[in-house]
Amino acid sequence: DAGITQSPRHKVTETGTPVTLRCHQTENHRYMYWYRQDPGHGLRLIHYSYGVKDTDKGEVSDGYSVSRSKTEDFLLTLESATSSQTSVYFCAISEKAGGPVDTQYFGPGTRLTVL
Amino acid sequence: GEDVEQSLFLSVREGDSSVINCTYTDSSSTYLYWYKQEPGAGLQLLTYIFSNMDMKQDQRLTVLLNKKDKHLSLRIADTQTGDSAIYFCAETESGGYNKLIFGAGTRLAVHP
Repeated sequence: DAGITQSPRHKVTETGTPVTLRCHQTENHRYMYWYRQDPGHGLRLIHYSYGVKDTDKGEVSDGYSVSRSKTEDFLLTLESATSSQTSVYFCAISEKAGGPVDTQYFGPGTRLTVL
Repeated sequence: GEDVEQSLFLSVREGDSSVINCTYTDSSSTYLYWYKQEPGAGLQLLTYIFSNMDMKQDQRLTVLLNKKDKHLSLRIADTQTGDSAIYFCAETESGGYNKLIFGAGTRLAVHP
């Protein structure tokens, strides 16, 4: 299995509080992604990174920010959590852009509940 | 915009074949993927097909691609209880960085 960990694995928080999720990789892969998974929607891309300090928005980026100060860590922050952000969050990594050899490897997920 | 659609649920008897279908919209996708998600876990790449192919076989898995109709299917032969999972179809989003667009996922239930 690819060396990807996510922390925390489960979190319950209240509306309006800030939340940071961490993705850590030991593969030295360049590309990292944050997705959310909701019933009936599959996985939707929130933000992605193509290098240290290089990030861009995905399909559902509103209410989220990211940072990548080191190759191995990609942080997802909810500045002020809302109930609509209750979801399962997955981090993925990829070695380089393009082609099936560049498959995305997924972390185990973080289940976030916003009350 | 780009979109991927799948039926949400499939139930089969152990030993039968399962066929999971998917339609996509981006005709420029170079690769199309099938991912498997077991309960409580992340996604694992199951197989993929290059867009200039119409069929790929990998042990019990057969992928069929109809580019004209933008239809992709995954056939699992001799389905086992261990195949019970959610299966996601995905296409590569245009614009680079290997971004993927996923379908909603098909939950496969295998019963004795």
